[in-house]
Amino acid sequence: DTGVSQDPRHKITKRGQNVTFRCDPISEHNRLYWYRQTLGQGPEFLTYFQNEAQLEKSRLLSDRFSAERPKGSFSTLEIQRTEQGDSAMYLCASSFSLAGGTGELFFGEGSRLTVL
Amino acid sequence: AQSVTQPDIHITVSEGASLELRCNYSYGATPYLFWYVQSPGQGLQLLLKYFSGDTLVQGIKGFEAEFKRSQSSFNLRKPSVHWSDAAEYFCAVAIPGTYKYIFGTGTRLKVLA
Repeated sequence: DTGVSQDPRHKITKRGQNVTFRCDPISEHNRLYWYRQTLGQGPEFLTYFQNEAQLEKSRLLSDRFSAERPKGSFSTLEIQRTEQGDSAMYLCASSFSLAGGTGELFFGEGSRLTVL
Repeated sequence: AQSVTQPDIHITVSEGASLELRCNYSYGATPYLFWYVQSPGQGLQLLLKYFSGDTLVQGIKGFEAEFKRSQSSFNLRKPSVHWSDAAEYFCAVAIPGTYKYIFGTGTRLKVLA
């Protein structure tokens, strides 16, 4: 068990560019979450996958944001036409939950995005 | 709507002193409860969790938390703080049977030598 890994850890980009973050969850975990965290705040929910299906998206997730989890393994979060307001830490978390269950979240170390 | 309140944004304690971080939640039933710790530039690490049963929960690094249903609280305690405990602490609730987790805004702990 190598934990949840995220890549890259840091990304600096210019406004208007596209960026993509990758998350590799704990291998046996069936749920995968993306959160956004800004300075002085707790994690805010963006989206959630059960296996390969994206089951919920927050209203925070504008149409510039897209997430995928092909084959129910790793996930990617893409932000198109970045804006300065997108600057934040993007956290990935995974859990194992049976139907109707709720497990604990295991977090990666995050991907920090700075939009200039 | 469900919510989590951590009333203390910053707390400063001396090394060796006791610590209590407050957490209150708003939910119509008993949620699952968690405390996480985050060091600067890092992800969140689970300290402890409460799902059911004994209301006093032991966690890692010498932390414990007590669930008080009557007060809708889940306060985190440590009898003697170490300098390495300086970090940000987040309380979270999960709605049983759902995917939903709600985090508080965090309490930043500073430890004086």
